Amino acid sequence: QQQVKQSPQSLIVQKGGISIINCAYENTAFDYFPWYQQFPGKGPALLIAIRPDVSEKKEGRFTISFNKSAKQFSLHIMDSQPGDSATYFCAARRTEKLVFGKGTKLTVNP
Amino acid sequence: DAGITQSPRHKVTETGTPVTLRCHQTENHRYMYWYRQDPGHGLRLIHYSYGVKDTDKGEVSDGYSVSRSKTEDFLLTLESATSSQTSVYFCAISGGRGVIDSYNEQFFGPGTRLTVL
Repeated sequence: QQQVKQSPQSLIVQKGGISIINCAYENTAFDYFPWYQQFPGKGPALLIAIRPDVSEKKEGRFTISFNKSAKQFSLHIMDSQPGDSATYFCAARRTEKLVFGKGTKLTVNP
Repeated sequence: DAGITQSPRHKVTETGTPVTLRCHQTENHRYMYWYRQDPGHGLRLIHYSYGVKDTDKGEVSDGYSVSRSKTEDFLLTLESATSSQTSVYFCAISGGRGVIDSYNEQFFGPGTRLTVL
């Protein structure tokens, strides 16, 4: 049973464009929703995170939008750059455990 | 990296042999986790620890065991490796749950690439 569904699997955008990755969940007990960025050969690193009592959180070019009633959240990358090319994972936390989406491979073309 | 090392970084072994992976942290974090990462599956939790000698199963624990005798070390053992356990293994640490988001963050190690022939 996949508790966090992530889409798309892969995404190609042009430099300067907006990248959007979506996630959906079912378990209303989740209380923390982080996004991780992973470069090839490296471990995932926290990019940005949100709690369910907040509808939006912005850090630089990265924004999480959270829709509690729809049980969906998304990552928006504004002014996407080639250096943003990586795999992105959404996750949801219940107690001290994270459940991850399957990941989105983002390619930003110059 | 947040004071997490994994050893070995690469290992090739044969089916049926025992394998132990080590995770070492210098952050004195309470929680430690073992994940495996496979194409198309994302990151899946194998086992985790919430204190010395306190461990629990994750989503894909069959065929794996863990031990934590010291706060800083968390060992993952494959008692008899199989080809289906070929994967990249990541260790992560966390301070637990807190009001400050950084306390909730899981920090990941650099990973161990394991190949079972």
